[in-house]
Amino acid sequence: GAGVSQSPRYKVAKRGQDVALRCDPISGHVSLFWYQQALGQGPEFLTYFQNEAQLDKSGLPSDRFFAERPEGSVSTLKIQRTQQEDSAVYLCASSSGSGANQPQHFGDGTRLSIL
Amino acid sequence: GNSVTQMEGPVTLSEEAFLTINCTYTATGYPSLFWYVQYPGEGLQLLLKATKADDKGSNKGFEATYRKETTSFHLEKGSVQVSDSAVYFCALSDQNFNKFYFGSGTKLNVKP
Repeated sequence: GAGVSQSPRYKVAKRGQDVALRCDPISGHVSLFWYQQALGQGPEFLTYFQNEAQLDKSGLPSDRFFAERPEGSVSTLKIQRTQQEDSAVYLCASSSGSGANQPQHFGDGTRLSIL
Repeated sequence: GNSVTQMEGPVTLSEEAFLTINCTYTATGYPSLFWYVQYPGEGLQLLLKATKADDKGSNKGFEATYRKETTSFHLEKGSVQVSDSAVYFCALSDQNFNKFYFGSGTKLNVKP
């Protein structure tokens, strides 16, 4: 389809394991965002890319979280040494540019459960 | 700092009832304001937006007016339908639109 695609849809990992979450934005979209959504809460901003440049990573909760977008399209969010508090839905969104006239298109998210 | 507060749910209404979901915000500078909707089993979708004070955003019969004097962006609909049942999120973006802040969401249940 033409939407934002995230994989896997569900991920279960043991505490201490590393995980990698993938986001395929809409083709040609310049901006890419990652959010973390805890159960019953709204999405919380993690990081923002414009093309391959990570312009804002102020929302990453610790240095265990790392995001990259090396070629300005697909992005990966990596979490090292996972903890139970990392359990959440991780959302990716893309837009064709910055500005309110370019809405963010969200993927369905990856539900991460840390045992 | 920037933040969004919206009324807790769930909100349960009968079909054709009037809907208001309250949203207030705290922001520095001149944010833009948004309502997003998440239907069951689907991803977040932009419902409407307003980019400056006194702007009114509207879509699918929903409206919200950017009120700077009361720092509010309440969502309204005159006559809800069962198909409007969803979770609604109020959000604001900073001036560069690089960072979005979401409320905790309000679940709306519309009964036939």
